[in-house]
Amino acid sequence: QSVLTQPPSASGTPGQRVTISCSGSSSNIGSNIVNWYQQLPGTAPKLLISGHNQRPSGVPDRFSGSKSGTSASLAISGLQSEDEADYFCAAWDDSLNGWVFGGGTKLTVL
Amino acid sequence: EVQLVQSGAEVKKPGESLKISCKGSGYSFTNYWIGWVRQMPGKGLEWMGIIYPGDSDTRYSPSFQGQVTFSVDKSISTAYLQWSSLKASDTAMYYCVRDPRGTPTTYFDYWGQGTLVTVSS
Repeated sequence: QSVLTQPPSASGTPGQRVTISCSGSSSNIGSNIVNWYQQLPGTAPKLLISGHNQRPSGVPDRFSGSKSGTSASLAISGLQSEDEADYFCAAWDDSLNGWVFGGGTKLTVL
Repeated sequence: EVQLVQSGAEVKKPGESLKISCKGSGYSFTNYWIGWVRQMPGKGLEWMGIIYPGDSDTRYSPSFQGQVTFSVDKSISTAYLQWSSLKASDTAMYYCVRDPRGTPTTYFDYWGQGTLVTVSS
């Protein structure tokens, strides 16, 4: 049971816009930044979005992050087949004194 | 180019000890925290803690405190994750990550390729 809650799956067709939610509490998302990681099949995760919607070099601007209260969202616009992956949200938890992750959302491009 | 290269897969028996490694290159190894993240088969990610190679300052997740040991050898830019007595429940993929800040405002900007640890009798 992960501290942050994500839907286990999401899907969309090429070109569509998809959002993935991440729900937490006042001790994590409510008071700290949220990072997003992408894990392509059979590979290590990679940083997708950090803090206040910052994208590392090489990450397309089709990916964006937002936060409101104790929830966060990752939006992917202009969906492409290569976006098929698992997506994880993460935040520092002040009560647990450590980083907590969502259980991951498997994105399927139909 | 920043790289974190981890040691190869391991198969161990319950009760055995193990030390896996993570070698950093392409950046100043002593100026960035190294973290460890566990991913059990088919499951999500779990943060185990961090170590600062500059002075070996170490912070463990409460969930992993006393279960594992982090260490570094600055002379060869390598971080280690160690178990003294493995359990079957330690079976997982372990990733090392680079952490620029070691604070709640940080992020994990580079990941190793992962080391698969299998513990089975």
